[in-house]
Amino acid sequence: GQNIDQPTEMTATEGAIVQINCTYQTSGFNGLFWYQQHAGEAPTFLSYNVLDGLEEKGRFSSFLSRSKGYSYLLLKELQMKDSASYLCAVRDSNYQLIWGAGTKLIIKP
Amino acid sequence: DAMVIQNPRYQVTQFGKPVTLSCSQTLNHNVMYWYQQKSSQAPKLLFHYYDKDFNNEADTPDNFQSRRPNTSFCFLDIRSPGLGDAAMYLCATRATGGRETQYFGPGTRLLVL
Repeated sequence: GQNIDQPTEMTATEGAIVQINCTYQTSGFNGLFWYQQHAGEAPTFLSYNVLDGLEEKGRFSSFLSRSKGYSYLLLKELQMKDSASYLCAVRDSNYQLIWGAGTKLIIKP
Repeated sequence: DAMVIQNPRYQVTQFGKPVTLSCSQTLNHNVMYWYQQKSSQAPKLLFHYYDKDFNNEADTPDNFQSRRPNTSFCFLDIRSPGLGDAAMYLCATRATGGRETQYFGPGTRLLVL
């Protein structure tokens, strides 16, 4: 079967760094996406990885290891507005997104 | 700005009363998706259109139907909503070629009384 695993909830302090991990087992791989979703709102696109390595975009970075079926999202200089759920999604061989349940990130002052 | 629009943002219906949710896009993307998302769960794909080609997920209940009259518009019809259908319904679009990221509308939150 297809499976995406990520922690249910994480807590971090404002100004700190947090790493959210995602492991996956899918039928085929055509890229991995990270989305941010604030409570009651739609997911918004954060990052995309299709090759191994680190993609950096401002305070957010995403890493992929295809051989390990592993990705992480790194958030630096955390701000209160970063409190949200972060969803990992893998595009499979049918070009459909397989979604994780999301990691709820709580930022404390 | 090019975008995905969903109306209404909040919809209240009665048990068993048909309801239609709408989605429109100005991105001119040829793929459109409908997802159902319940609290603290992953979005669940209901169906998608690749141009006019309709693709139904195997576990999407018959109670859910969809129409795409043209590239810009897509509708989700729930023929007889049950209490278990209360959820956020998300419309997303995707272009073909390149990164092919899915872009989401703001969602419609459905409440069934």
